[in-house]
Amino acid sequence: GENVEQHPSTLSVQEGDSAVIKCTYSDSASNYFPWYKQELGKRPQLIIDIRSNVGEKKDQRIAVTLNKTAKHFSLHITETQPEDSAVYFCAASYPGANNLFFGTGTRLTVIP
Amino acid sequence: DTGVSQDPRHKITKRGQNVTFRCDPISEHNRLYWYRQTLGQGPEFLTYFQNEAQLEKSRLLSDRFSAERPKGSFSTLEIQRTEQGDSAMYLCASSQDRANTEAFFGQGTRLTVV
Repeated sequence: GENVEQHPSTLSVQEGDSAVIKCTYSDSASNYFPWYKQELGKRPQLIIDIRSNVGEKKDQRIAVTLNKTAKHFSLHITETQPEDSAVYFCAASYPGANNLFFGTGTRLTVIP
Repeated sequence: DTGVSQDPRHKITKRGQNVTFRCDPISEHNRLYWYRQTLGQGPEFLTYFQNEAQLEKSRLLSDRFSAERPKGSFSTLEIQRTEQGDSAMYLCASSQDRANTEAFFGQGTRLTVV
């Protein structure tokens, strides 16, 4: 099966700075990489995803990059705001898999 | 709220008791998943349904766990003879019937076994 590792486990940034969270995966067949945000006591919600036919995807202040050769992908949040504070999970899935394989999460704290 | 709903939100039970959780997916979603999440970890896959058929179960799903989706709509997850190690957040998710599509999560049922 797939093994996803995520770093760092905690991240604190000043409001307005950028935050970067990195993930690696083990199965070269994986082709779908979503990122979920989970605020305290709430459900995980998809914030962005990328498929292996593209190297980068942006949505306003959020971007994800994918390096298939190195089997790693990253989440970039620019101009961070206090409401970005949450736990972020990366995940991966390969063709034929019926589930997502999640990383262990990164707790992001944006300091006002 | 037309999202995925789970009931109850919290459950405290004594070791050895049976518990049952319910998940109502988004109505047009054929796929339904159960995950377990413990503190400081990401969600771990338990089982998957396509309509009423349970198509995959992970090794985490011991014999004490059973899940059903009798009419292809709501699903139940039952844990028999609960153990302290079963304490976790149980998350349900649903998605449309195609690969690599967004999974919508419910708010989860937090189980505490005392």
